[in-house]
Amino acid sequence: GAVVSQHPSWVICKSGTSVKIECRSLDFQATTMFWYRQFPKQSLMLMATSNEGSKATYEQGVEKDKFLINHASLTLSTLTVTSAHPEDSSFYICSARWGAGFYEQYFGPGTRLTVT
Amino acid sequence: GIQVEQSPPDLILQEGANSTLRCNFSDSVNNLQWFHQNPWGQLINLFYIPSGTKQNGRLSATTVATERYSLLYISSSQTTDSGVYFCAVPSGNTPLVFGKGTRLSVIA
Repeated sequence: GAVVSQHPSWVICKSGTSVKIECRSLDFQATTMFWYRQFPKQSLMLMATSNEGSKATYEQGVEKDKFLINHASLTLSTLTVTSAHPEDSSFYICSARWGAGFYEQYFGPGTRLTVT
Repeated sequence: GIQVEQSPPDLILQEGANSTLRCNFSDSVNNLQWFHQNPWGQLINLFYIPSGTKQNGRLSATTVATERYSLLYISSSQTTDSGVYFCAVPSGNTPLVFGKGTRLSVIA
């Protein structure tokens, strides 16, 4: 149980284009989903928290207009990187949990984004 | 915010050896998770262990919340144990803050 999927697993795009990454909880309803970013050989950094049906909460320093997050249903959250630039190249990982009273997070397999 | 320190940063083991990974945190917590990130990037939940001891096969973990540390034990290591081990704890409104990880290489 508690399986989270991400799509695509890797994507290459040209500078200036937008890329959408999907995160799905496959066997549970996730009231809260999280988006992380990981640079090579570094730790995970939280970008934003999204609750189903409400606006995402972004961490300090994360541009909300650049990283658009939509949590449209209890099983789907999307991250759109708008007007991507080479410095946005990174490994993006989503996670999900059942709800505020549940602390354990389950992680997707990640999406490797390369912007050329 | 909370500081999470993991040690050692790097570890090389011969297959079959045992090891102990440590996670220190600077403030009291009510949640702690250990993860294994495999070479493909997938984070695998190992333990949710805010306190006490848990075991799962060759892995076990102990958290002493009053002394602000947690230990992850790996016994009879296998090459498939290679990867990065992270501990993570909550801090304020941030549900999980990750340590920098321990990079483990198990060689045959």
